Amino acid sequence: DIVLTQSPDSLAVSLGERATINCKSSQNLLSNSNNKNYLTWFQQKPGQPPKLIFLWASTRESGVPDRFTGSGSGTDFTLTISSLQPEDVAVYYCHQHYSTPPTFGQGTKLEI
Amino acid sequence: EVQLVESGGGLVQPGGSLRLSCAATGFIFTDYWMHWVRQAPGKGLVWVSRIMGDASETTYAESVKGRFTISRDNAKNTLYLQMNSLTAEDTAVYYCAKGMTARLPDIWGQGTLVTVSS
Repeated sequence: DIVLTQSPDSLAVSLGERATINCKSSQNLLSNSNNKNYLTWFQQKPGQPPKLIFLWASTRESGVPDRFTGSGSGTDFTLTISSLQPEDVAVYYCHQHYSTPPTFGQGTKLEI
Repeated sequence: EVQLVESGGGLVQPGGSLRLSCAATGFIFTDYWMHWVRQAPGKGLVWVSRIMGDASETTYAESVKGRFTISRDNAKNTLYLQMNSLTAEDTAVYYCAKGMTARLPDIWGQGTLVTVSS
């Protein structure tokens, strides 16, 4: 199974400041056939189900604010929030759909 | 709008069984893989199982293989998870999710809590 390791496990950032979450994969997630990274990011707010916010490592889903940026390729990925807002408090999970079984990182808890 | 509503969770004794259901609306149910993903209290997300649109293919996590059975009734737009031989380690919120692909659950229901305890 592919193991995804996120860092840090938790993060406290001031309002308006930058938050950076890392995700490292035990295997390459870049497909040679279509040059896409099979890495997604989910946001889970308290008491809610996970919400998909990034596809293919860097494609922002509709409705996701542009202060969110996904980047990286291969085995190293980053989710960046450029200016933290109160509504961004959540646990963020990276997820790989390169191989079966699909797996998730352990999550990063983002607080103010 | 895609909506997924899980039901069937509750308290069950170790060794017992439970069947979860997930009613789907807002999309062509038969066109999509469906997934079950679980989350133990205060823990992360763990993929459990998936089923192809026409139910011809199913896959399970090693931790539930032989104990859980995923199925679907396309006439009723409903997904199921039959869980047998339950242990405390199966205690979790169980989410059903529509599959954008065979390995990518993209839209999730609100979840149903399963508690295995004596």
